[in-house]
Amino acid sequence: DQQVKQNSPSLSVQEGRISILNCDYTNSMFDYFLWYKKYPAEGPTFLISISSIKDKNEDGRFTVFLNKSAKHLSLHIVPSQPGDSAVYFCAASITSGTYKYIFGTGTRLKVLA
Amino acid sequence: EAQVTQNPRYLITVTGKKLTVTCSQNMNHEYMSWYRQDPGLGLRQIYYSMNVEVTDKGDVPEGYKVSRKEKRNFPLILESPSPNQTSLYFCASSLMRGQPQHFGDGTRLSIL
Repeated sequence: DQQVKQNSPSLSVQEGRISILNCDYTNSMFDYFLWYKKYPAEGPTFLISISSIKDKNEDGRFTVFLNKSAKHLSLHIVPSQPGDSAVYFCAASITSGTYKYIFGTGTRLKVLA
Repeated sequence: EAQVTQNPRYLITVTGKKLTVTCSQNMNHEYMSWYRQDPGLGLRQIYYSMNVEVTDKGDVPEGYKVSRKEKRNFPLILESPSPNQTSLYFCASSLMRGQPQHFGDGTRLSIL
């Protein structure tokens, strides 16, 4: 049972345009969500996070939106740059409990120059 | 430089031969964790530790052991490796639970 789902395995976007990566979850107890970026032959690197008490968090070109009623979060990258080409993972956790992290399967973003 | 270091980076071994993958962090982090990454399955948490001598199972702990005798080290032990443990493994740490994690560069294990 995949509690965190990234239904798009891949996405291609033109440089300068907006990239939108989506993530759905099933467990309403999740209260902390993160996005990581992963380049080949490297470990994932933290990008941005959001607590369930917020619906938006912004950091430079990256914005994460959380829709708790739909159990959906999205990562917006504006403007997209070729260096953003990577695999993006969303992750969820229950911070008051066991502190397990559940990751999605990843979306490969390709930004075309 | 703040980092999580895993060793070895690559290993090919045979079924049943005990192996240990070491993980060390130099950031004085309390929380450490092991993940495996498999095609189509994303990252799955194997074990985690919230502090020295405190460890707990993640989602896929079967066939693995861990220990946390010192704050900086969190080795992953495969007592009797099997081919279904062939995977890419990542160690991660964070200052405390609930904070974003720093990941190592991964260890690719092949068990024949």
